[in-house]
Amino acid sequence: TQLLEQSPQFLSIQEGENLTVYCNSSSVFSSLQWYRQEPGEGPVLLVTVVTGGEVKKLKRLTFQFGDARKDSSLHITAAQPGDTGLYLCAGMNNRLAFGKGNQVVVIP
Amino acid sequence: KAGVTQTPRYLIKTRGQQVTLSCSPISGHRSVSWYQQTPGQGLQFLFEYFSETQRNKGNFPGRFSGRQFSNSRSEMNVSTLELGDSALYLCASSLERGLNTEAFFGQGTRLTVV
Repeated sequence: TQLLEQSPQFLSIQEGENLTVYCNSSSVFSSLQWYRQEPGEGPVLLVTVVTGGEVKKLKRLTFQFGDARKDSSLHITAAQPGDTGLYLCAGMNNRLAFGKGNQVVVIP
Repeated sequence: KAGVTQTPRYLIKTRGQQVTLSCSPISGHRSVSWYQQTPGQGLQFLFEYFSETQRNKGNFPGRFSGRQFSNSRSEMNVSTLELGDSALYLCASSLERGLNTEAFFGQGTRLTVV
């Protein structure tokens, strides 16, 4: 059983469109991290959210941590081809538990 | 500074063999974690080492083992390889253990068991 469920598994959009992906769990986490992984590479940390309800922005990426600290969302505004990748969420308690990822493809 | 280095990048082994993978963390980092990544299961936690001691272990059989040396470099070993062990094995290093510690990943070792 996957501790963190990410949806949708796969998303293909045109350049300039907006998108939102989700990370849900029945467990409460001390913090939650989002990573992006490109083919042939390891995941790279994008953001860590700690407080329930917290919103963090990283250029065109907006991350939100749910009030109950069980879920999170990632919103990308005006997506660009460089945003293509596998987005992984990871919940932290005594160790990081990862979801299977949201595969995002941005078509030029 | 240099990132996390994993060697080798690619490996092909036959069933029944054993394999050792290596991970050199970022200089000064003392925590090293290992993950197995497959398309079907995503990233699955194998184990975490800190100051040469295993601090945490995932739900993998005893064929999977690891160790950490005094310079924080880590190795993981898989014995009696099975076809299902084919995966990308990722190592991540962190400065310390902690709830909000950032993990830096290596590029991984792609293991194929035939």
